[in-house]
Amino acid sequence: AQKVTQAQTEISVVEKEDVTLDCVYETRDTTYYLFWYKQPPSGELVFLIRRNSFDEQNEISGRYSWNFQKSTSSFNFTITASQVVDSAVYFCALSGASGGGADGLTFGKGTHLIIQP
Amino acid sequence: DAGVTQSPTHLIKTRGQQVTLRCSPKSGHDTVSWYQQALGQGPQFIFQYYEEEERQRGNFPDRFSGHQFPNYSSELNVNALLLGDSALYLCASSLVGSDIQYFGAGTRLSVL
Repeated sequence: AQKVTQAQTEISVVEKEDVTLDCVYETRDTTYYLFWYKQPPSGELVFLIRRNSFDEQNEISGRYSWNFQKSTSSFNFTITASQVVDSAVYFCALSGASGGGADGLTFGKGTHLIIQP
Repeated sequence: DAGVTQSPTHLIKTRGQQVTLRCSPKSGHDTVSWYQQALGQGPQFIFQYYEEEERQRGNFPDRFSGHQFPNYSSELNVNALLLGDSALYLCASSLVGSDIQYFGAGTRLSVL
């Protein structure tokens, strides 16, 4: 069975601080995919990034960066110089070898990020 | 380019009733997945439709059923509603074989 754990229920920081959201996953698949989604108050999940299990390169996109470490089964997400607009619930998700197709996504419980002005 | 659209946005039902939720996928997408998100929780996979057939199902009872139409749009039906069915129901679409699912804003179902 697959499992995603986001131990941080809520994080509150002041604008311009850096913040890291933790994600730990469990799977028996040798090929799998990891995702991060953002859910603003409107409810729609916004896709941020996808990583496959063979690609451990860290990725940076503007103020966002992701650190994938297979050895610790972690896929952490860092926001640099946070802004009020980053306030949302962030979900880490996992899918099996067939991708997000046949198996669906397994989500963590989410981390509510609050950026205070 | 229209994204994933869901209707209605809000719905109130009473226990024992039946409900139908609707989803139109993103243009060009042929696969639709449904998720249930209880308050304060992550979404849980209900099932996925491709080529008008259910391809995979999560751990949900048979009260939850679905349908996909030739134009790839989809419906989620829930029979004999329980209080515990109150949740945000999210639809996601993708291209078959692609891992990236794009979500709609959801339908908020309240069961009284």
